[in-house]
Amino acid sequence: QVQLVQSGAEVKKPGSSVRVSCKASGDTFNNYTFNWVRQAPAQRLEWLGGIIPIFGTANYAQQFQGRVTFTADESTSTAYMELRSLRSEDTAMYYCASLTGLVTAFWFDPWGQGTLVTVSS
Amino acid sequence: SYVLTQPPSVSVAPGQTARITCGGSNIGSKSVHWYQQKPGQAPVLVVYDDSDRPSGIPERFSGSNSGNTATLTISRVEAGDEADYHCQVWDTTSDHVVFGGGTKLTVL
Repeated sequence: QVQLVQSGAEVKKPGSSVRVSCKASGDTFNNYTFNWVRQAPAQRLEWLGGIIPIFGTANYAQQFQGRVTFTADESTSTAYMELRSLRSEDTAMYYCASLTGLVTAFWFDPWGQGTLVTVSS
Repeated sequence: SYVLTQPPSVSVAPGQTARITCGGSNIGSKSVHWYQQKPGQAPVLVVYDDSDRPSGIPERFSGSNSGNTATLTISRVEAGDEADYHCQVWDTTSDHVVFGGGTKLTVL
């Protein structure tokens, strides 16, 4: 099974951007769909969307459309999430996770260890 | 948009059975997945597709789904089961992933 290792914690100013990476190992990179989920303090898990590297296609949650971009680099087996126009409400733990399943049954397994993004002036 | 509702907390004594519910409109027609999240750790899949268990997850963890309620059942609860539990579905109307609010399981 694939293992996912994310980049380290980030502290950003409001209005700036952050890029989080998720490096996959242990299996063929293009066999997987990489998704991003965040968890703000005392809040529920929130899905941002995901990317299918083999097709280069991405699916974005409506509330993040236009503010987030997912990319993938097969040569380094790494997926990326860039979130722009950061505000304090974006302070959260960001997770990458492999989406699997079929038809209308999709679940996340495994997950990366998480990257804490703090937005503060 | 589709909404999943979980009780904020559930408490159970060691050795007893814990039942954590996840409510949603006609959720029985959807495939429900459950994650365990211990403090400071990433979520871990414990039940997928209503009632299947990933390899390595004890048989004490089971799931069911019918009508407007899905349930995660943990039998013979141990202290190590203390964690937050989150339910999740794929909403075909919006093509979006939806999570419940999470339930904190306390082992007394």
